[in-house]
Amino acid sequence: DADVTQTPRNRITKTGKRIMLECSQTKGHDRMYWYRQDPGLGLRLIYYSFDVKDINKGEISDGYSVSRQAQAKFSLSLESAIPNQTALYFCATRKQGVDTQYFGPGTRLTVL
Amino acid sequence: KQEVTQIPAALSVPEGENLVLNCSFTDSAIYNLQWFRQDPGKGLTSLLLIQSSQREQTSGRLNASLDKSSGRSTLYIAASQPGDSATYLCAVREGGSEKLVFGKGMKLTVNP
Repeated sequence: DADVTQTPRNRITKTGKRIMLECSQTKGHDRMYWYRQDPGLGLRLIYYSFDVKDINKGEISDGYSVSRQAQAKFSLSLESAIPNQTALYFCATRKQGVDTQYFGPGTRLTVL
Repeated sequence: KQEVTQIPAALSVPEGENLVLNCSFTDSAIYNLQWFRQDPGKGLTSLLLIQSSQREQTSGRLNASLDKSSGRSTLYIAASQPGDSATYLCAVREGGSEKLVFGKGMKLTVNP
């Protein structure tokens, strides 16, 4: 089984809808991250969390919110989706003191 | 603002060639540099991580070097195979920051 899982893997929605993307990990890592990838722009950090009570904004947090329900779960929400949020979204984890990040398989989100 | 560049954006080679992938960054005050591989539908896999104090790292047929003063890193792939076909991403982490700054990636195709 994959160590970092994301659900759903694909989602098509309409402008104005609320969307939640979920990430779960079995690696026991304390740090979790949400990135988005756009063609021609590379990956950019949206939010990150050091533990359940420590949430931090990344480079492009506007229009997004997150929830760290447990050490193993980190959810990303789009309160009112807009077409320019169409992208590939990745969750990643890292253990404190170890620099390597481990990525999930991604969620492809399309906002019509 | 840190910027990471990977040129060319795509490369197609016959099997067996030794390859050099290039990555450049604008601010030499980095904490570490990572090379990732991205396969469609499978997210990113960390290949090699070089700390700012290191010059190179090796794993199997892969060797990554870092010249921090000139803002460059290279990923060397020996005896390329069709299974090496993927998109390769370079990312730097700056000191005191959780953010990884990614390049846009280089799509490698190794033809049998």
